[in-house]
Amino acid sequence: AQTVTQSQPEMSVQEAETVTLSCTYDTSESDYYLFWYKQPPSRQMILVIRQEAYKQQNATENRFSVNFQKAAKSFSLKISDSQLGDAAMYFCAYRGTNAGKSTFGDGTTLTVKP
Amino acid sequence: EAGVAQSPRYKIIEKRQSVAFWCNPISGHATLYWYQQILGQGPKLLIQFQNNGVVDDSQLPKDRFSAERLKGVDSTLKIQPAKLEDSAVYLCASSWYRNSYEQYFGPGTRLTVT
Repeated sequence: AQTVTQSQPEMSVQEAETVTLSCTYDTSESDYYLFWYKQPPSRQMILVIRQEAYKQQNATENRFSVNFQKAAKSFSLKISDSQLGDAAMYFCAYRGTNAGKSTFGDGTTLTVKP
Repeated sequence: EAGVAQSPRYKIIEKRQSVAFWCNPISGHATLYWYQQILGQGPKLLIQFQNNGVVDDSQLPKDRFSAERLKGVDSTLKIQPAKLEDSAVYLCASSWYRNSYEQYFGPGTRLTVT
């Protein structure tokens, strides 16, 4: 079974600075998808960024980028120019190409200090 | 485009009582998921539907949990009887089809069992 581990329960960053959230996963599959989701307090979970395992190029979405290391099974999220609105719980998730369900890590709570 | 709707948003019940949650996915989405998110943990899949058929219910405690999606649109998740450890947020998500990249999440129902 696939597992996803987020080793940082809490992180904090100063506004306008850069922060990196870590995620590792375990799988025997060669093709899969990886995601970062954002869950603000009492609000809906939304997709931040996704990475297809067959792509070597790291995904980027505006201020959000990932460092995908397939051999190391590592998938970190970098948030540049952090904003107060980035404060939320961030979940790393794995999905195999043939399975609809996603396996989530236990999340990292990000605090942004003004 | 309307998002995934869930009701109620909050529910408090005593142990051994029954409770039901409702989810209306985004129009046209064939795949519907119910996740359980216990405080401090990531979401865990309970059941996945493709149209009105069950694709994966391997993590559903079938002695007390049941779910249906009779017409392939909205869905109901029921717990009977509830236990203290069922206290959690129940998230509904939907996607266009089973292998879609993105799952769209509803706001969740926060259940407290006393």
